[in-house]
Amino acid sequence: DAEITQSPRHKITETGRQVTLACHQTWNHNNMFWYRQDLGHGLRLIHYSYGVQDTNKGEVSDGYSVSRSNTEDLPLTLESAASSQTSVYFCASSEPAGELFFGEGSRLTVL
Amino acid sequence: EDKVVQSPLSLVVHEGDTVTLNCSYEVTNFRSLLWYKQEKKAPTFLFMLTSSGIEKKSGRLSSILDKKELSSILNITATQTGDSAIYLCAVEKGTGGFKTIFGAGTRLFVKA
Repeated sequence: DAEITQSPRHKITETGRQVTLACHQTWNHNNMFWYRQDLGHGLRLIHYSYGVQDTNKGEVSDGYSVSRSNTEDLPLTLESAASSQTSVYFCASSEPAGELFFGEGSRLTVL
Repeated sequence: EDKVVQSPLSLVVHEGDTVTLNCSYEVTNFRSLLWYKQEKKAPTFLFMLTSSGIEKKSGRLSSILDKKELSSILNITATQTGDSAIYLCAVEKGTGGFKTIFGAGTRLFVKA
């Protein structure tokens, strides 16, 4: 069965360190998205991609970057982690104009 | 600025009650409105609505879109404890490429 997997599922890091969250999907979807979820804010879009070599900024992109070198993967990098980036991160993929399929989430704590 | 607003933010009901969750939106280039259910982990898809006035139904859940009022409701009849979850409303927007914007969610707790 097709799926979307995230790793690590839990991570604790220190302020200022670089962190990369991996996202891998086997749906063969061109569209991939990264969201963060915080209490009271729902899911907020960080970055998204419509295909290989395409990346776009979402509403809360500051301090984050992504790259898309193949269809399956969209890693999310925090260049210099800050305590404000403590959150649960969800990766998702979709067909064009279809519903989102989500990974299980990555809980990141920045101390 | 695009926004999706859900109400109420939280709700406690007893098993067997009927609940109505609300979602309103202001976005450019609206394409569809979606509802998701989130229990402990990842959101799971419930409905996609693109046309006004056409009810989508799945078991005890139903939803309808009103494009004139820029809103949607999600109804759950005969609630069960397993309906306890966060219900997320989202709007898909775009012309060409699409992206999805979420509301803050309604946290529903169903008491036995």
